[in-house]
Amino acid sequence: GAVVSQHPSWVICKSGTSVKIECRSLDFQATTMFWYRQFPKQSLMLMATSNEGSKATYEQGVEKDKFLINHASLTLSTLTVTSAHPEDSSFYICSARDRDKVLYGNTIYFGEGSWLTVV
Amino acid sequence: AQSVTQLDSHVSVSEGTPVLLRCNYSSSYSPSLFWYVQHPNKGLQLLLKYTSAATLVKGINGFEAEFKKSETSFHLTKPSAHMSDAAEYFCVVSDRGGYNKLIFGAGTRLAVHP
Repeated sequence: GAVVSQHPSWVICKSGTSVKIECRSLDFQATTMFWYRQFPKQSLMLMATSNEGSKATYEQGVEKDKFLINHASLTLSTLTVTSAHPEDSSFYICSARDRDKVLYGNTIYFGEGSWLTVV
Repeated sequence: AQSVTQLDSHVSVSEGTPVLLRCNYSSSYSPSLFWYVQHPNKGLQLLLKYTSAATLVKGINGFEAEFKKSETSFHLTKPSAHMSDAAEYFCVVSDRGGYNKLIFGAGTRLAVHP
């Protein structure tokens, strides 16, 4: 099946620094990728929709200057948490939409997630 | 706008007994609906999906769900629980727009006891 790879799986950074998380579609092309955030024992909250070659679309309440998203190619989207603070510590999950699949809902694949801890 | 409500935050069953995880949805048009499972500290795995075909959907690991439009429900069932089924389960509705934005329910934590 289709594979979406996230890197790193775990990252610890100091407060005030920036950290980048990558999301790659390994065997398909993704014009659209999604970034979610999940706090412990809570559901996934969509942060933004990443569109290849254009600006990301952020959900209400998500600071676009703090969570920078770049989707420079059909297989890679990056999420950069700038000036990270302890409250940014969370599980970040990406998903990617296979542009060559036709059916609704048959096209989205999730990465394994990335744990961010800000100390 | 679309939304999903998972009616139980926690469900506990004994191994070998049936599982029922309840989900109600709200959508202004015919939705696409999914169930995902998440094991501790792991990503998401798709169990099954409904996309306007057969209303009874069979998924992996013996799970199935039935789409009931009149009840706006998409409950997940399994005849016999296994210890490995213990996990978090999410009911999800898809935006039928071009980007397939997924809206997640709050999740149901399934515990399976020996």
